[in-house]
Amino acid sequence: AQSVTQPDIHITVSEGASLELRCNYSYGATPYLFWYVQSPGQGLQLLLKYFSGDTLVQGIKGFEAEFKRSQSSFNLRKPSVHWSDAAEYFCAVGPKGAQKLVFGQGTRLTINP
Amino acid sequence: GAVVSQHPSRVICKSGTSVKIECRSLDFQATTMFWYRQFPKKSLMLMATSNEGSKATYEQGVEKDKFLINHASLTLSTLTVTSAHPEDSSFYICSAMDWVFGSGTQLSVL
Repeated sequence: AQSVTQPDIHITVSEGASLELRCNYSYGATPYLFWYVQSPGQGLQLLLKYFSGDTLVQGIKGFEAEFKRSQSSFNLRKPSVHWSDAAEYFCAVGPKGAQKLVFGQGTRLTINP
Repeated sequence: GAVVSQHPSRVICKSGTSVKIECRSLDFQATTMFWYRQFPKKSLMLMATSNEGSKATYEQGVEKDKFLINHASLTLSTLTVTSAHPEDSSFYICSAMDWVFGSGTQLSVL
């Protein structure tokens, strides 16, 4: 069965520090991979996605993610976080060519001033 | 890029009433849309796939008669929560082309 694991429920980092959010997936083949961000009471904003090719993917808001097939991981990174990055982050996977997704449990990011 | 609009953003209703949530594709035609549900502080779970002009496909465990989905046009899918009860209180969100999501609807049933 398809599944996505985000091991960290809550992460706190200081403003200006680097960030890495972890995501591991279980899937029959290499799926499409996504990272979304959600502010309280809001919808999901797509940060970046990986389909194939270069394993380092650049997204919006200065985020990037690296696909590692050997580790079944797709970790999200940002070199220097801003207070406005505080939100819930979701990793998701989906079958190639299809639109529906399976989500991880989410990681809540808190930024210390 | 693709834009998905969802309405209303928040709704409060009494137990036993029905509530309709709309999901519109603003600048593209969507033959397929997806409805997800998010419990407080939880992840999102796919409820159903909405297909234009045909019946929706529901995920296992989702009550078809409770959550009615209609996709009557290429730009509009609706989710109707029938005879709503407090346990139906949740955040409902739709998605369409290019994995773009709407802004979601917070349903509170009193």
